[in-house]
Amino acid sequence: ENVLTQSPGTLSLSPGERATLSCRASQSVASDYLAWYQQKPGQTPRLIIYGASGRATGTPDRFSGSGSGTDFTLTISRLEPEDFAVYYCQQYGGSPLTFGGGTKVEIK
Amino acid sequence: QLQLQESSPGLVKPSETLSLTCTVSGGSISSSSFYWGWIRQPPGKGLEWIGTLYSSGGTDYNPSLKSRVTISVDRTKNQFSLKLNSVTAADTAVYSCARGLDSSSGYPAFDVWGQATMVTVSS
Repeated sequence: ENVLTQSPGTLSLSPGERATLSCRASQSVASDYLAWYQQKPGQTPRLIIYGASGRATGTPDRFSGSGSGTDFTLTISRLEPEDFAVYYCQQYGGSPLTFGGGTKVEIK
Repeated sequence: QLQLQESSPGLVKPSETLSLTCTVSGGSISSSSFYWGWIRQPPGKGLEWIGTLYSSGGTDYNPSLKSRVTISVDRTKNQFSLKLNSVTAADTAVYSCARGLDSSSGYPAFDVWGQATMVTVSS
């Protein structure tokens, strides 16, 4: 099983600041099949990035994904009020599909 | 616009079978371009993949649940279902069905999710 470890657990930032979230895999993720989701309280996750760096439909361009192999990053260039949420990474390069434990981006 | 809606059994007794159905509207469950999945989230915790249904009718399950899980499809009703037997309190979670994007890996990222339903296992 490919274990995904996300850091930090919580990121306290102000609107307008840059957010950098990390996802580290215990094994190399095949062909960068790595996705990022945003989840707000009381809602189901929303896919924002797939293929490590591709934006899903409707994802603003302030969100960008990067990385390969075992180290991946989600960057939000300038935080908007609606971006404060929990973010999960997921690998889909092999079975079982696995999710990271999440990073909460909260308002400082 | 594609929408997914889970049924809501609410409360299930320990040792019994949890049964959920996901109804797909605005698109066909038989499309070869997509997969269909179940994911759960215990209260206050992270996401756990349960299993995936492929357009061929084949399935893939999380090894941690494989002995207790069955995912099936009813194409006439445009639905797919989850059965989890011998449930315990540890199976208490919010359960979601989702559409998986076809990828060359053969495994999906999930781009459309249902509203999710809370299932509590308790006597």
